[in-house]
Amino acid sequence: ILNVEQSPQSLHVQEGDSTNFTCSFPSSNFYALHWYRWETAKSPEALFVMTLNGDEKKKGRISATLNTKEGYSYLYIKGSQPEDSATYLCAFITGTASKLTFGTGTRLQVTL
Amino acid sequence: GAVVSQHPSWVICKSGTSVKIECRSLDFQATTMFWYRQFPKQSLMLMATSNEGSKATYEQGVEKDKFLINHASLTLSTLTVTSAHPEDSSFYICRAGRDRYEQYFGPGTRLTVT
Repeated sequence: ILNVEQSPQSLHVQEGDSTNFTCSFPSSNFYALHWYRWETAKSPEALFVMTLNGDEKKKGRISATLNTKEGYSYLYIKGSQPEDSATYLCAFITGTASKLTFGTGTRLQVTL
Repeated sequence: GAVVSQHPSWVICKSGTSVKIECRSLDFQATTMFWYRQFPKQSLMLMATSNEGSKATYEQGVEKDKFLINHASLTLSTLTVTSAHPEDSSFYICRAGRDRYEQYFGPGTRLTVT
């Protein structure tokens, strides 16, 4: 059974704060790591697909890094805004399968 | 961008009845769709992989006779929860995509069995 862990479970920050959270996954047989942003009552929205060790991706104020050798990925949000409030999910794919194994998510709340 | 829809978004049913949930890809064809279930404070758990024109592949521990999956066309997969019981109350969500990298989720269906 693959174990994907996310920390912290929840986070409450003020507008303008920068924040980051972690996704840990098995380092063997790595294929890809996905990050999703999931707002309440909406579909999870794909943020990044990361495949290479050392990968660093950026989308606006959100960026992510990947370390496949030690089995972790960080998601960073610079200058958090209330609209960033959501649950951030990571999901891991092993080998050549299309199955995603999800973490439980980090719930971010940004207040004014 | 591609959109995946689900219907209904929420449903309440009585114990013993069956409920059908639809997952549609609106602007692309999906030979494979995935069904997940999420219990409170837990992660999304893959239930089954729905393959167009063939039988679904179920994950270990998921009863195929209870969770019937039909992928009759390249844009529609249905999940039927048969003889639902309160322990089946959960959030069900589907995922579909053009390829392994371009994948989209539906908005999910909240099922409550009373």
